[in-house]
Amino acid sequence: GAGVSQTPSNKVTEKGKYVELRCDPISGHTALYWYRQSLGQGPEFLIYFQGTGAADDSGLPNDRFFAVRPEGSVSTLKIQRTERGDSAVYLCASSPGHRTSGDPTDTQYFGPGTRLTVL
Amino acid sequence: EDQVTQSPEALRLQEGESSSLNCSYTVSGLRGLFWYRQDPGKGPEFLFTLYSAGEEKEKERLKATLTKKESFLHITAPKPEDSATYLCAVQDVSWGNRKLIWGLGTSLAVNP
Repeated sequence: GAGVSQTPSNKVTEKGKYVELRCDPISGHTALYWYRQSLGQGPEFLIYFQGTGAADDSGLPNDRFFAVRPEGSVSTLKIQRTERGDSAVYLCASSPGHRTSGDPTDTQYFGPGTRLTVL
Repeated sequence: EDQVTQSPEALRLQEGESSSLNCSYTVSGLRGLFWYRQDPGKGPEFLFTLYSAGEEKEKERLKATLTKKESFLHITAPKPEDSATYLCAVQDVSWGNRKLIWGLGTSLAVNP
């Protein structure tokens, strides 16, 4: 029974480097979300995909952050020129899509997260 | 602006000592209120969705209730394995997508 998986589980990088974080959603889920969670905080919305397209990227903090989902399944969050302030746990969630599930709220199921540390 | 406030920040209980966690929210229109549980080093685990005031849902020792301004998560006779952070989140009906706005969570510790 595959849930949402994320790789790597931990990533340590140096300031200024480029990183990619991967999310494998639950099979058949059309909606995919990225959130960021800092220590002691609730998750913060970054971007939402419906299928292959980014339907809402209003939560991306700046243009160093970019995400893709080219085939409507796996998604990659890309961060350029990393800064120490980017250190956080990056969470991915998927959901069936409210039109598929019939649930107007379209429950989101989360992966374990990738802990990013920028030195 | 949509907002979620959870209290208390932390709660320590003895095994079997019942209590409640609070989630106050402000949204222009509520599509749903969610409770998740999060264990250290893991992603949030879905517990409940509440859609309208007066609704209640139960799962084992947990019961969630909803009014027009707040939700409570009641924990009856907790066990040490109930120790976790409990997160509350809301969806605003005015949004096209289903993004969640979260509170900071309540860290619950249940001592044996």
